[in-house]
Amino acid sequence: EVQLVESGGGLVQPGGSLRLSCVASGFTFSSYNMNWVRQAPGKGLEWVSYISYSSGSIYYADSVKGRFTISRDNVKSSLFLQMNSLRDEDTAVYYCARGGRYYVDGFDIWGQGTMATVSS
Amino acid sequence: QSVLTQPPSVSGAPGQRVTISCTGRSSNIGAGYDVHWYQQLPATAPKLIIYGNTNRPSGVPDRFSGSKSGTSASLAITGLQAEDEADYYCQSFDSSLSGSVFGGGTKLTVL
Repeated sequence: EVQLVESGGGLVQPGGSLRLSCVASGFTFSSYNMNWVRQAPGKGLEWVSYISYSSGSIYYADSVKGRFTISRDNVKSSLFLQMNSLRDEDTAVYYCARGGRYYVDGFDIWGQGTMATVSS
Repeated sequence: QSVLTQPPSVSGAPGQRVTISCTGRSSNIGAGYDVHWYQQLPATAPKLIIYGNTNRPSGVPDRFSGSKSGTSASLAITGLQAEDEADYYCQSFDSSLSGSVFGGGTKLTVL
């Protein structure tokens, strides 16, 4: 079964850090581009970051640029999101999502999400 | 304010047809970038239901269809069923932002 499972969410104070992980199974992870998408409580979807299959191309939304870092380990079929200098507005469910062949493609597989709460 | 504009809500009776619009601009849909649609049932992750403007992934009923024209796209759902009650999001790529953009989402209520 094709599956993505996120972990690493939790409660952190403003200015703190969290590292999210996403483990893939059921497909050849190293062949796929990957993304992080977040959803604040009661709000819509917001794309956060993209990493190509080889880590050769990386992009971020302006809202997280300079604070978040996306990375991957193809040997361990894992995707990561290092989140630093966290703000209240970063509170959200964070989903990892599999991309298509190109950066502009849709996301065909999503994880169940992990909740990150930034609050004092 | 989302880059792609969707109506906050739509509704329809069982068996009816509803459409959800997604309006963009010259840097995204109008530039020729594909539109994708997602269905999000309550307390679940989004699910891709239309990709590349008009294509359905395997397993998605043919009651769901997508179209695109100019700077807008639409999702149509025919033969509305209670299980279709969900939030629907459109997505595209924006060249001025150099990233993916989503619509604000549309809540579909089946009366």
